[in-house]
Amino acid sequence: GIQVEQSPPDLILQEGANSTLRCNFSDSVNNLQWFHQNPWGQLINLFYIPSGTKQNGRLSATTVATERYSLLYISSSQTTDSGVYFCAFSVGYQKVTFGTGTKLQVIP
Amino acid sequence: ETGVTQSPTHLIKTRGQQVTLRCSSQSGHNTVSWYQQALGQGPQFIFQYYREEENGRGNFPPRFSGLQFPNYSSELNVNALELDDSALYLCASSLGGINSPLHFGNGTRLTVT
Repeated sequence: GIQVEQSPPDLILQEGANSTLRCNFSDSVNNLQWFHQNPWGQLINLFYIPSGTKQNGRLSATTVATERYSLLYISSSQTTDSGVYFCAFSVGYQKVTFGTGTKLQVIP
Repeated sequence: ETGVTQSPTHLIKTRGQQVTLRCSSQSGHNTVSWYQQALGQGPQFIFQYYREEENGRGNFPPRFSGLQFPNYSSELNVNALELDDSALYLCASSLGGINSPLHFGNGTRLTVT
């Protein structure tokens, strides 16, 4: 099956700092999405981004499908950004596979 | 617009028992998928239902089964519970098809003792 790797696995940021999270996959995928799971377990869809660039407030994401990677940018980080960030994809539309996640801690 | 709701939020069961978890999909969504998330890991796909039919299944044994109802709500049933079934169970709904973002409920945390 398709392999997905997220980096870095862990990240600690000072509040106000910027960061880039990366998701690499081994083959062509569909439905690339980014999720944030907060410390209470709630999983929030941040971006549906099979290709191109999208922005939502302090967050933006870029997927380069031909080069098999996606990036999530967090600017001016806040403590509420803490949690785990997952990229997820499907081949076809029947099974969504999640990456290993990046655990982010933003400290005041 | 009503989001995805799951019940119960927490549940404690004994090994060997059976459990039923419930999910109401987001308004207008006809596809529901279920995920198991063990502590410290990413969600693992269990199966997906589209218009009351299972149309995709992950690497889970047959004792994991489900239903989808005409209103697109869904149930996940697990028989003969094992200790390793302890996890957060997440339900997601979508419009189905290849361009469909997933929207998750808050999950049911199942503990098997």
